[in-house]
Amino acid sequence: GDSVTQMEGPVTLSEEAFLTINCTYTATGYPSLFWYVQYPGEGLQLLLKATKADDKGSNKGFEATYRKETTSFHLEKGSVQVSDSAVYFCALKGDGANSKLTFGKGITLSVRP
Amino acid sequence: NAGVMQNPRHLVRRRGQEARLRCSPMKGHSHVYWYRQLPEEGLKFMVYLQKENIIDESGMPKERFSAEFPKEGPSILRIQQVVRGDSAAYFCASSPLGYNEQFFGPGTRLTVL
Repeated sequence: GDSVTQMEGPVTLSEEAFLTINCTYTATGYPSLFWYVQYPGEGLQLLLKATKADDKGSNKGFEATYRKETTSFHLEKGSVQVSDSAVYFCALKGDGANSKLTFGKGITLSVRP
Repeated sequence: NAGVMQNPRHLVRRRGQEARLRCSPMKGHSHVYWYRQLPEEGLKFMVYLQKENIIDESGMPKERFSAEFPKEGPSILRIQQVVRGDSAAYFCASSPLGYNEQFFGPGTRLTVL
């Protein structure tokens, strides 16, 4: 079945540092890939998405590129802020509209001033 | 357009009681998904419903859990005879027909004493 693997956390960075959060997946067909962010005590918000190979999703300075050859969707940001402190989830949705999301375990990012 | 609404936000039950969690999808959304987030883990799919139909319940525990999405009113996730292991955050998401993205509610945090 489908699965998503995220790097182990937590991650602590200083403000303005470069961020990379690794995500790899296993799926049949042509899944869509997502990054969701969860702030403390809140639900999930979609951060960015990519629906086909080589697509780059971007939002709020975050970027991720759908790499089919390496089955990866790593999240990057050039300069993190304290307000980026949250839990980040990588997820995939299988072929076909309205199918379920499969999530990675999530990684907690803490950014120090 | 209001977002996905869930209530209650926090629910405390004693072992053996019933828990009812409600989810009102975004206006115009006919598809509802329920996910469970156990402490320190990612979200796990439970069930996918359309109005009056269960489409995929492959993630639902075989006993004590049920879900419905009636023609009128919110979707309900019902847990009978709760046990401590049911303590978790339960998230609902919704999407329109044929749409790739799911929109999440703020979650219900269930605590079983």
